[in-house]
Amino acid sequence: AQKITQTQPGMFVQEKEAVTLDCTYDTSDPSYGLFWYKQPSSGEMIFLIYQGSYDQQNATEGRYSLNFQKARKSANLVISASQLGDSAMYFCAMREGFSGSARQLTFGSGTQLTVLP
Amino acid sequence: EAGVAQSPRYKIIEKRQSVAFWCNPISGHATLYWYQQILGQGPKLLIQFQNNGVVDDSQLPKDRFSAERLKGVDSTLKIQPAKLEDSAVYLCASSLSASGFETQYFGPGTRLLVL
Repeated sequence: AQKITQTQPGMFVQEKEAVTLDCTYDTSDPSYGLFWYKQPSSGEMIFLIYQGSYDQQNATEGRYSLNFQKARKSANLVISASQLGDSAMYFCAMREGFSGSARQLTFGSGTQLTVLP
Repeated sequence: EAGVAQSPRYKIIEKRQSVAFWCNPISGHATLYWYQQILGQGPKLLIQFQNNGVVDDSQLPKDRFSAERLKGVDSTLKIQPAKLEDSAVYLCASSLSASGFETQYFGPGTRLLVL
């Protein structure tokens, strides 16, 4: 079974508007962390935001916020006031378990976001 | 602070040849990861080092792939012999430690094309 599902292969958004990128996850571990990364065409994976399973509040980092709905197992990324430079591939990822250094970071298949001028 | 460095950025080889990639993690980061990212997919972990010891290499095709991290700093990933399906981007990442949910920071990757 897929641990991380990103159902939107591609998304378009008008510049200065907000956009939500969907991510659902599957785990039976009560302790886990969720990450979002941005991958521009240059190839580097850029860390955006992190949400822990026990965090009471949704994570925010500048124009990025994470809409964390634990019961629904979703961790959607919200980008406010989109900019042309936000055009990139976005990956949702999860790591399970507090302990165990061998816990892998599992990535979804990504969403290609295109910001239109 | 310098980020994760990787070289080369691009490599084209013929099948059955060998190739090596190099990674230098962020200074002070004990944990180093190698990922394989096939076009259109998310990265997949190949191997994880904690200092100079292997923590997880369960998804490394050990018949052709090898990796080492001598002295617990930089690392080399080798493919010998390469196959067509090895064409991918090879990403190196590092984190302060492997405990908890330390953020992994990625390098620019090496794009490998096997002809």
